[in-house]
Amino acid sequence: DSGVTQTPKHLITATGQRVTLRCSPRSGDLSVYWYQQSLDQGLQFLIQYYNGEERAKGNILERFSAQQFPDLHSELNLSSLELGDSALYFCASSVGGAPNNEQFFGPGTRLTVL
Amino acid sequence: DQQVKQNSPSLSVQEGRISILNCDYTNSMFDYFLWYKKYPAEGPTFLISISSIKDKNEDGRFTVFLNKSAKHLSLHIVPSQPGDSAVYFCAASARGSNYKLTFGKGTLLTVNP
Repeated sequence: DSGVTQTPKHLITATGQRVTLRCSPRSGDLSVYWYQQSLDQGLQFLIQYYNGEERAKGNILERFSAQQFPDLHSELNLSSLELGDSALYFCASSVGGAPNNEQFFGPGTRLTVL
Repeated sequence: DQQVKQNSPSLSVQEGRISILNCDYTNSMFDYFLWYKKYPAEGPTFLISISSIKDKNEDGRFTVFLNKSAKHLSLHIVPSQPGDSAVYFCAASARGSNYKLTFGKGTLLTVNP
């Protein structure tokens, strides 16, 4: 158990809908990262927050947004969902924002868009 | 453009033998490299890392080698155990990119008893 929790574990929804994925980092970790893992793809970095502020942005679509709240939990909002958004979404956390701060991953949320 | 490549989707080895997982990268700005292990239905777990100022880092049965001139790194597992069977991801980051990690597609390692 990494100490990072993600809810829900599974989500099935229809095209055009909007969903929110939630992540609670390990106690004491200030950084939260979101990744997407599609079929046959590696983990694609989406976005990073550090202590409530956006720190780095990756291949995140404009239909996607995220935020980190004062209690350091984070939410990833996916809107106008398309079939291609079906994927595993992982959240990770680390103490700081530098690469040698080991990232601890949650178990992921599997999103299925029908 | 795949900046981190793991060209072998799968690898099968016998228990007790050496497992060698390979990773190539194209971005010369990468200066920190990590290996993660992932079991089914779980998130990736950090395994070992190496900074570009080193060419080797060892942690128990796991050793990572970095060849900067060839833009190549490898993970050696000796001796391999059935519990090592998992997907292994290579990842890299660059100081100028705010340290975001770029992952390869992973290699499925199967260690046969």
